[in-house]
Amino acid sequence: AQTIHQWPVAEIKAVGSPLSLGCTIKGKSSPNLYWYWQATGGTLQQLFYSITVGQVESVVQLNLSASRPKDDQFILSTEKLLLSHSGFYLCAWSQDWGGDAEQFFGPGTRLTVL
Amino acid sequence: GDSVTQTEGPVTVSESESLIINCTYSATSIAYPNLFWYVRYPGEGLQLLLKVITAGQKGSSRGFEATYNKETTSFHLQKASVQESDSAVYYCALGNYAQGLTFGLGTRVSVFP
Repeated sequence: AQTIHQWPVAEIKAVGSPLSLGCTIKGKSSPNLYWYWQATGGTLQQLFYSITVGQVESVVQLNLSASRPKDDQFILSTEKLLLSHSGFYLCAWSQDWGGDAEQFFGPGTRLTVL
Repeated sequence: GDSVTQTEGPVTVSESESLIINCTYSATSIAYPNLFWYVRYPGEGLQLLLKVITAGQKGSSRGFEATYNKETTSFHLQKASVQESDSAVYYCALGNYAQGLTFGLGTRVSVFP
């Protein structure tokens, strides 16, 4: 069975500090990977997606970057956090690519920027 | 861009009563998007409840139903008789080929015995 793990579970960071959030998918080779973000009271917004190792596409610009260093790993990062980065970050994967593909979500990381 | 509007929560309903969560969509990037309902139960991750990819079709799961209506651009979620275990946050979502999923704000549903 496939499992998706996100780390850390929660993070409290200062404005201007760096950030790195991680996501690992086990039990599935060559998954399509996604990062979503949800501000408090807001909707889930897709930030990035990756179809293959080393390739990441940006969907929404939030002064964040993403990388896929391994087939099963997706990293979200920034060198300088903003207050507006606070929220809930979800990683997801899908087996198929396309608008009808079911996405499987991780437990999420709650980020508070002070 | 694409957008999804759904019933604003929280919604409170008694066990065995009926539930409907309204969802309407606007798809500018694709004529007939794929439509989904995702659900997050307390303490669990977001998971797919049902999906419909063909206009006019109905999807169903766990006693919930939703019909893809392209005339009214709606995808309302309904259940005839809810249980306490249906307490969750429900998200309507639209999928197109290139941009993945566009979600609504989510509707928190609380079912009381």
